[in-house]
Amino acid sequence: QQQVKQSPQSLIVQKGGISIINCAYENTAFDYFPWYQQFPGKGPALLIAIRPDVSEKKEGRFTISFNKSAKQFSLHIMDSQPGDSATYFCAAEAGANNLFFGTGTRLTVIP
Amino acid sequence: ETGVTQSPTHLIKTRGQQVTLRCSSQSGHNTVSWYQQALGQGPQFIFQYYREEENGRGNFPPRFSGLQFPNYSSELNVNALELDDSALYLCASMRGQSTDTQYFGPGTRLTVL
Repeated sequence: QQQVKQSPQSLIVQKGGISIINCAYENTAFDYFPWYQQFPGKGPALLIAIRPDVSEKKEGRFTISFNKSAKQFSLHIMDSQPGDSATYFCAAEAGANNLFFGTGTRLTVIP
Repeated sequence: ETGVTQSPTHLIKTRGQQVTLRCSSQSGHNTVSWYQQALGQGPQFIFQYYREEENGRGNFPPRFSGLQFPNYSSELNVNALELDDSALYLCASMRGQSTDTQYFGPGTRLTVL
């Protein structure tokens, strides 16, 4: 049973465009929602995270939008660059000892 | 690069064998979590060690076991290997229970033949 559902599975965006990845969850006990970026041969790296007391968080070109009532959250990458090409994972956690990951989105940014 | 290191980088075993994977946590981190990442999937939580005690376990059978040492490094042991155990095994360390301080290592790629 997938605790966090992520879409799309893959995404191709032109350089300078906006990349949008969506996630949905059911467990209302989740209280921490991070996004990770993973390059081939590397472990995931924390990109940005949000807690459910805010609806949006922005760090540079990366923004998380959070909709508590719909139990959905999304990652927006503005001005996408070829260096952003990687696999992105959303995740959710209730307490600090069990992080549930989505299935990943492979982003390709075309120059 | 994070301060989390894992060894070995790659490993090939046959079905039924046992394997031990090792992880050195980032300086100042006293919590280590292990994850299994199958090809094309997101990481799945195996278990976590905090101050040398198991502090949570995912949906993995008892043949997956672990240890944390006084220096907070950790081992993952898998007995009676099965073909489906082939995956990238990731170790992550953090300070206390602060997931926003969690850093992942590069992983150990295990292939079971």
